[in-house]
Amino acid sequence: NAGVTQTPKFQVLKTGQSMTLQCAQDMNHNSMYWYRQDPGMGLRLIYYSASEGTTDKGEVPNGYNVSRLNKREFSLRLESAAPSQTSVYFCASSDQRTPPYEQYFGPGTRLTVT
Amino acid sequence: SQQGEEDPQALSIQEGENATMNCSYKTSINNLQWYRQNSGRGLVHLILIRSNEREKHSGRLRVTLDTSKKSSSLLITASRAADTASYFCATARLIQGAQKLVFGQGTRLTINP
Repeated sequence: NAGVTQTPKFQVLKTGQSMTLQCAQDMNHNSMYWYRQDPGMGLRLIYYSASEGTTDKGEVPNGYNVSRLNKREFSLRLESAAPSQTSVYFCASSDQRTPPYEQYFGPGTRLTVT
Repeated sequence: SQQGEEDPQALSIQEGENATMNCSYKTSINNLQWYRQNSGRGLVHLILIRSNEREKHSGRLRVTLDTSKKSSSLLITASRAADTASYFCATARLIQGAQKLVFGQGTRLTINP
């Protein structure tokens, strides 16, 4: 039982390049989330998916797109990377059908845009 | 914008002492959660307190919630070196089947042996 996995662990992009961050969970959770964490800050919600087939914007969605590929997988795409998107990206999942509704986090992807 | 404001931003204490961290927020919530983050790692859920609860315990953790003051506190008793980490409060609102969390900036806790 791996929990929440993310790939890649590290990535360096040049301004204007695109990439997709992958996330998968094996806990049969219905909800999945993408966050970014800037140095010395808490996490900010980028996008979330309440269930398979639905996605919604979070607090900071500009410059990102997401795809809920199936119940297990939720990807985050940067179409044209900018230096302001340098951050650590975390994926999380939760089962909103059963308390305590805690979110389980992946290990993160450290992205640098030059 | 960050809803949670945490205080203090950094806390350094001796092993065995108690550590108290505070969190304030601005809007209505369904519940409030505390997470721990070890350096360079993902977040780990510690405890959740619902909006109709005032106090909750889990092992060495005690959380209080005052919805009239929109504030919460996390107390770690008998601290250990392994408690060294950053601690984040997160307010939760349930929207369309998902739980949207808004995190504070965190308290960096250092336990000195």
